[in-house]
Amino acid sequence: AQSVTQLGSHVSVSEGALVLLRCNYSSSVPPYLFWYVQYPNQGLQLLLKYTSAATLVKGINGFEAEFKKSETSFHLTKPSAHMSDAAEYFCAVTIDNYGQNFVFGPGTRLSVLP
Amino acid sequence: DGGITQSPKYLFRKEGQNVTLSCEQNLNHDAMYWYRQDPGQGLRLIYYSQIVNDFQKGDIAEGYSVSREKKESFPLTVTSAQKNPTAFYLCASSGSATYNSPLHFGNGTRLTVT
Repeated sequence: AQSVTQLGSHVSVSEGALVLLRCNYSSSVPPYLFWYVQYPNQGLQLLLKYTSAATLVKGINGFEAEFKKSETSFHLTKPSAHMSDAAEYFCAVTIDNYGQNFVFGPGTRLSVLP
Repeated sequence: DGGITQSPKYLFRKEGQNVTLSCEQNLNHDAMYWYRQDPGQGLRLIYYSQIVNDFQKGDIAEGYSVSREKKESFPLTVTSAQKNPTAFYLCASSGSATYNSPLHFGNGTRLTVT
């Protein structure tokens, strides 16, 4: 069975600083990995997805993530934080095309300080 | 624009009453899902449906019921048997026949039971 851990339930960065949100997974077969963002009282929006085509994945809003098989990691980064990036971020893993097999991490709340 | 519509956004009910949450999608997706979100716990799968007139229990189905009479619609009923129904409920869909299809989410319904 797959699982996802996100280190740090709350991360604070200053505006303009690097954003690094950590995601580690476990899976018995090659996984598909996703990052979603959730703004207050809204649904989840897909940021990016890893589908084995390339280990460095670029997403929306300047975010990117790198798949590292040796470290079983899929950390999310952004070079320069903006106030609008304040939200909750969820990492998710699945081993197939079926949505019911998505496993979500507990989420990391990102605060951006002026 | 295609998307998923959940209604209402906020719902208040007295304990002991059943309540139905609406979810409609115009993405022509085959699969639909209901998740429950509680602070710090990520998303937990309640029910899912891969095709019209068929649905399966997820991880936390007790106290909930669903129907899938139309491809576009997947309503969730929170029954009086659900011990702790106050939560944020998210509906999602995916094109299950699409390779690595991500989940698309609605904007959620916040249910408060007193």
